[in-house]
Amino acid sequence: KDQVFQPSTVASSEGAVVEIFCNHSVSNAYNFFWYLHFPGCAPRLLVKGSKPSQQGRYNMTYERFSSSLLILQVREADAAVYYCAVCMDSNYQLIWGAGTKLIIKP
Amino acid sequence: GAGVSQTPSNKVTEKGKYVELRCDPISGHTALYWYRQSLGQGPEFLIYFQGTGAADDSGLPNDRFFAVRPEGSVSTLKIQRTERGDSAVYLCASSKTSGDTYEQYFGPGTRLTVT
Repeated sequence: KDQVFQPSTVASSEGAVVEIFCNHSVSNAYNFFWYLHFPGCAPRLLVKGSKPSQQGRYNMTYERFSSSLLILQVREADAAVYYCAVCMDSNYQLIWGAGTKLIIKP
Repeated sequence: GAGVSQTPSNKVTEKGKYVELRCDPISGHTALYWYRQSLGQGPEFLIYFQGTGAADDSGLPNDRFFAVRPEGSVSTLKIQRTERGDSAVYLCASSKTSGDTYEQYFGPGTRLTVT
């Protein structure tokens, strides 16, 4: 079955680097998409691709079936749910993980 | 510029009723997607339009669900004879065109509650 896996929660202290890991079992998906979601708002794309990339404080690692989102200098305002998704190259649908809730420890 | 908008933001309906959920994509985006997100889960694909036609409706759970995009812009997701299990947030996304590298821009969703 085509699935995307990510941890349900990750906790970090302010100023640290946070890593959220994701892996998938989708045979015809090559691109990862990392979204930030505050409930009630539109999910916002942070970084995407089929190779390592960086957008501001967000880094993405890439392997064929796994990726990590690294958030640099994490802040209290980064507390949210982060979704990993992969895009099928047959019908372009995103297959999503269940989301990782980032908790910032005081 | 305007992003993807969805109306209503919240909809409460009684079991057995008919509902319509609307999505206004970003102007000029030819691809449009509907997803459904249940509590504690990631969004699940429902249907995808390229222009006016449904390119893939394999995610629609059953024949009570139907979606249209008659002019290749606004889309309406229609649910007949709603059931309590249909309660979820329905997300709409659009992209410039279809492809596995194009960003899908999401709306804020419509929270549907079936009582």
